[in-house]
Amino acid sequence: NAGVTQTPKFQVLKTGQSMTLQCAQDMNHEYMSWYRQDPGMGLRLIHYSVGAGITDQGEVPNGYNVSRSTTEDFPLRLLSAAPSQTSVYFCASSSRRTTAHGYTFGSGTRLTVV
Amino acid sequence: GENVEQHPSTLSVQEGDSAVIKCTYSDSASNYFPWYKQELGKRPQLIIDIRSNVGEKKDQRIAVTLNKTAKHFSLHITETQPEDSAVYFCAAMAPNTGGFKTIFGAGTRLFVKA
Repeated sequence: NAGVTQTPKFQVLKTGQSMTLQCAQDMNHEYMSWYRQDPGMGLRLIHYSVGAGITDQGEVPNGYNVSRSTTEDFPLRLLSAAPSQTSVYFCASSSRRTTAHGYTFGSGTRLTVV
Repeated sequence: GENVEQHPSTLSVQEGDSAVIKCTYSDSASNYFPWYKQELGKRPQLIIDIRSNVGEKKDQRIAVTLNKTAKHFSLHITETQPEDSAVYFCAAMAPNTGGFKTIFGAGTRLFVKA
């Protein structure tokens, strides 16, 4: 049982490049989400999914795309990287069957856009 | 929109003293209140939670209290130790279409001085 696995842990991109941050969970959680955390700041929701085939926008979705083809995987795509997207990205999952539960977070991806 | 206010933003205590972090939420439909601890460079981790039908919950040196009427909840850490130094986030979760909506507080940076 690995929990939530994120790859890569570190990435440097040039402005305009695209890339995909991977997130996988093995807990059969229905809910998955992507947050970004800027230095000294809290967690801001980018996109989330309540189940396979269902995604929705969070607080700061511009510049990012997601898809949820399986329960386990929830990749985050940066379409054309910008310096403003330099941040630490966390994937989180939760069971949403009947009652609210806390999140299990991945270890994070530290992204630098130059 | 709905929000969660967290205070203080920074808290410095002497080892052995108690620390209290307070959060106020606005969405009266919120029914689950988790607390996360994030050590430097690490992922946020759930440390304690409380549901709206409970007024207080304790787990060793940490406890959480909830006042539904006033819409605020607090984290109490007793006999603080240097390893308690971290950023603490509160969150409020409320049911919405397809699952639950989560709003995080901005975080409290706790320093425990040896």
